[in-house]
Amino acid sequence: AQSVTQLGSHVSVSEGALVLLRCNYSSSVPPYLFWYVQYPNQGLQLLLKYTSAATLVKGINGFEAEFKKSETSFHLTKPSAHMSDAAEYFCAVSDRRGTYKYIFGTGTRLKVLA
Amino acid sequence: EAGVTQFPSHSVIEKGQTVTLRCDPISGHDNLYWYRRVMGKEIKFLLHFVKESKQDESGMPNNRFLAERTGGTYSTLKVQPAELEDSGVYFCASSLAGSSYEQYFGPGTRLTVT
Repeated sequence: AQSVTQLGSHVSVSEGALVLLRCNYSSSVPPYLFWYVQYPNQGLQLLLKYTSAATLVKGINGFEAEFKKSETSFHLTKPSAHMSDAAEYFCAVSDRRGTYKYIFGTGTRLKVLA
Repeated sequence: EAGVTQFPSHSVIEKGQTVTLRCDPISGHDNLYWYRRVMGKEIKFLLHFVKESKQDESGMPNNRFLAERTGGTYSTLKVQPAELEDSGVYFCASSLAGSSYEQYFGPGTRLTVT
């Protein structure tokens, strides 16, 4: 069975500081991996996805994530936080067959301090 | 291109009442998914349609939940009778056939059962 663990339900960073949101997954088959962001009163928006091409994936708004099979990780980073990055971030895994349903982590709420 | 839309955005009902949630996927998307997030928990898969057919309803909590997708366009999710534990945010997502790994999410319906 697949699973996702997001370490830290709340993360605070100063504006301009590095953002690092952690995601570890468990999957018996090569997974697809995703990061979604939810801004207040909005739906989930895809930030980036890993589908077995390059292991370093670049997404929107300056975010990127690196797939590390040996560590079963897919951590999300951004070099310099902006106030507008304050939101809730979700890591998800999907298998490559069947329904492609997502298994989500519990989410990490990012707070950016001025 | 219009995104995934959901109606209503909020619903407050009393225990024992019936509520119907609606999802309009992106035009041309054969795959439609329902997910739910109970407060403080992860977003969980409920079920998956391909056109009008249910492909996977393994996440449906119990038989008080009924999902339909008549004609393969919009979908409804009915809860009857509602219980307190049904409160949460219900998300709908859709994806193209052949691109099943990337899902587009709606803004969600926040259901409160009192």
